[in-house]
Amino acid sequence: AQSVAQPEDQVNVAEGNPLTVKCTYSVSGNPYLFWYVQYPNRGLQFLLKYITGDNLVKGSYGFEAEFNKSQTSFHLKKPSALVSDSALYFCAVRPGTGGFKTIFGAGTRLFVKA
Amino acid sequence: ETGVTQTPRHLVMGMTNKKSLKCEQHLGHNAMYWYKQSAKKPLELMFVYNFKEQTENNSVPSRFSPECPNSSHLFLHLHTLQPEDSALYLCASSQAPYLGSSGNTIYFGEGSWLTVV
Repeated sequence: AQSVAQPEDQVNVAEGNPLTVKCTYSVSGNPYLFWYVQYPNRGLQFLLKYITGDNLVKGSYGFEAEFNKSQTSFHLKKPSALVSDSALYFCAVRPGTGGFKTIFGAGTRLFVKA
Repeated sequence: ETGVTQTPRHLVMGMTNKKSLKCEQHLGHNAMYWYKQSAKKPLELMFVYNFKEQTENNSVPSRFSPECPNSSHLFLHLHTLQPEDSALYLCASSQAPYLGSSGNTIYFGEGSWLTVV
């Protein structure tokens, strides 16, 4: 079965510290991987994606993510967290076999404390 | 501004009402989606349209009826809903993914908050 797991419901970090939001996946073929962020009462905003090539992908707002094929992971990272980064983060994967079905994780709530 | 506009942003309806959610995308995409977001549950894909043709219907109850008159507009018609249908309904669009190019990013609207009373 194809799935995405975000093992942490919540991540707490202090402002200025590095942050990591974890994501692992299970899909057939080469995956296409995405991160989205959702602020309160808003839709999901696209942050970054991995299609092919460099395993380290850089995205919006200083975020980056590292694709690790052997560990089937795509963790989201930022070197220095801001209070304004506090939001709900979703990892998503589209199977490399094609099709429209993008599978989303359950989301991880990030709290950045001043 | 995401390029995907949803109206209304908030809707309260009784179980016997008929209402519709509207979505319009200005991104030149040809695939449109309805997702349901409920508290503490993963996003649920409801419907997918590709070039106005429905390609996915994930066992959605018939009280939800989608309509896609063209590649830029998508509706979700609601009829005799249940309180458990209260959720955030998200519309999204993308270029149509096809084998070898499935990385096309999905862009979401701001959502329509639906409360069924």
